[in-house]
Amino acid sequence: ETGVTQSPTHLIKTRGQQVTLRCSSQSGHNTVSWYQQALGQGPQFIFQYYREEENGRGNFPPRFSGLQFPNYSSELNVNALELDDSALYLCASSRGAGTQETQYFGPGTRLLVL
Amino acid sequence: AQTVTQSQPEMSVQEAETVTLSCTYDTSESDYYLFWYKQPPSRQMILVIRQEAYKQQNATENRFSVNFQKAAKSFSLKISDSQLGDAAMYFCAYRNNFGNEKLTFGTGTRLTIIP
Repeated sequence: ETGVTQSPTHLIKTRGQQVTLRCSSQSGHNTVSWYQQALGQGPQFIFQYYREEENGRGNFPPRFSGLQFPNYSSELNVNALELDDSALYLCASSRGAGTQETQYFGPGTRLLVL
Repeated sequence: AQTVTQSQPEMSVQEAETVTLSCTYDTSESDYYLFWYKQPPSRQMILVIRQEAYKQQNATENRFSVNFQKAAKSFSLKISDSQLGDAAMYFCAYRNNFGNEKLTFGTGTRLTIIP
């Protein structure tokens, strides 16, 4: 157990809908990164939040957006869902951006888009 | 851009034996970190071991050790005395030592332990 939690564990949506995924970081961590893991693939970096500001973004369209709250928990929002958005979404927390700290992952949210 | 390659989609090993998982990476940077993460069926990505590129000594964590060859850009994971609980997907990952902490992952190796 890493102390990073995610909700919900599973989610089914239809194409065109919007979804919000949530992540609570480990105590003492102020940085949250989000990854998308398609079936049979390694995780792909979506974006990172450090002290409530976006601190880097991967190759994902603007319909993927996020927030980080004062308690350092975070949300990932995906608008206009597409079938290819079906994946495991992982969040990871760490003690700081640009430091030597290790990222600790949550158990993920499995999203299925029909 | 950095890339990470794991050329073994699947590996199997007899319980109590030793297995080595391969990983190569490509980067123009000289200072970076490398990681092995384990992802069991429960899906939670668990850190197995990490290596700082500036350290010549190979990292070890109990039964897990790495063979880090910086010039060859190779980073293999050796698991000794394999146990049933080692069965999982293993991902090799790279991170620069600047900017944000973005991890770049390989495609993974599925390890099966044969009783």
